[in-house]
Amino acid sequence: NAGVTQTPKFQVLKTGQSMTLQCAQDMNHNSMYWYRQDPGMGLRLIYYSASEGTTDKGEVPNGYNVSRLNKREFSLRLESAAPSQTSVYFCASSEQGLYNEQFFGPGTRLTVL
Amino acid sequence: GDSVTQMEGPVTLSEEAFLTINCTYTATGYPSLFWYVQYPGEGLQLLLKATKADDKGSNKGFEATYRKETTSFHLEKGSVQVSDSAVYFCALSTGSARQLTFGSGTQLTVLP
Repeated sequence: NAGVTQTPKFQVLKTGQSMTLQCAQDMNHNSMYWYRQDPGMGLRLIYYSASEGTTDKGEVPNGYNVSRLNKREFSLRLESAAPSQTSVYFCASSEQGLYNEQFFGPGTRLTVL
Repeated sequence: GDSVTQMEGPVTLSEEAFLTINCTYTATGYPSLFWYVQYPGEGLQLLLKATKADDKGSNKGFEATYRKETTSFHLEKGSVQVSDSAVYFCALSTGSARQLTFGSGTQLTVLP
């Protein structure tokens, strides 16, 4: 039982390049989330998927797209990377319900030059 | 919108000292409240939670009480250890998808 896994762990991009961050969970959770973590700002929600087949914008969606590929996988795509997207990205999942905790992956550290 | 305000860090304590990290929130409705911990190089882990007013969450010697009248959820531990060194995040959960709103995090360093 691996929990939430993310690939890659580290990535360096040049401005304008594109890439996809992968996330998978093996806990049969319905809901999945993408956050970015920046110094002094905590984690901010980029996009979330309350259930398979649905996605919604979070607090900071600009410059990103997501795909809920199936119940296990939720990917985050940067179409044209910008230096402002340098951050640590975390994927999380949870069971639907009022009080259920979110389980986080280990993160992807992305640098855009 | 919803927001969480956390005590600014970093916080440095000696082993066995008492810890308090303040957290206050603004939210519509009745949020659930959480403390998450992030150890170096890792993702976040749930430390404790409280789902209604006056609930006390506790885990690994840490405690926090959901105070609706003061909109607070302060984290406390009576005697910290070196292994408690980490970043602590206060968060609230609202909305149909229960998305989390985080505070900015407090870095705790415990010295032997």
